[in-house]
Amino acid sequence: QVQLQESGPGLVKPSETLSLTCTVSGGSLNNYYWSWIRQSPGKGLEWIGYIYYNGYVNYNPSLQSRVIISIDTSKNHFSLNLTSVTAADTAVYYCARYKGNWYLFDYWGQGTLVTVSS
Amino acid sequence: ETLLTQSPGTLSLSPGERATLSCRASQSVSSTYLAWYQQKAGQAPRLLIFGASSRAAGIPDRFSGSGSGTDFTLTISRLEPEDFAVYYCQQYAGSPPRYTFGQGTKLEIK
Repeated sequence: QVQLQESGPGLVKPSETLSLTCTVSGGSLNNYYWSWIRQSPGKGLEWIGYIYYNGYVNYNPSLQSRVIISIDTSKNHFSLNLTSVTAADTAVYYCARYKGNWYLFDYWGQGTLVTVSS
Repeated sequence: ETLLTQSPGTLSLSPGERATLSCRASQSVSSTYLAWYQQKAGQAPRLLIFGASSRAAGIPDRFSGSGSGTDFTLTISRLEPEDFAVYYCQQYAGSPPRYTFGQGTKLEIK
């Protein structure tokens, strides 16, 4: 059973960079896409981007200028960096496995709340 | 960008009743690209239905999905106490790839 676990700071100051890591257990990163999704009361569920195990990425156009997703298959984890954060980036951040052949997210982490505040 | 509008916003029903949840897209969506998720308080979304009508592994057969074009439906034939949650539809649009979610329908106990 694949399991995902997010980790990282729960509080980030405005204008700084939000950094999260998702560690995958019970399976390999190989041959799958890995995604970040966030959820806030104001914007609901919002797809941030995904990365393929070989490093190929795609980002939500609305966030593209501030997002970098990276992957380390040797450590079985992938990461999210979101720069120049504001209060609007306050949300629960989820990592999830994306199945490209069926366009769905089948395994999710439990989510981590990140608050942007000084 | 394709928007997904779910209705009703809140649905109040009793255990044993039938639930019908709607997801309407602002433009036509391939059935292949439409999925449904269930989210309980404090938990991550859980995949229920993909390809508009295929149940994910381990999902009881009281859950079914249907629809095409711009109108999709999630039906729960006989509500169990554990089915009361928020339900989201999700679609994919390509070039560049985009994934959008509806705003959710809250299914609450009457």
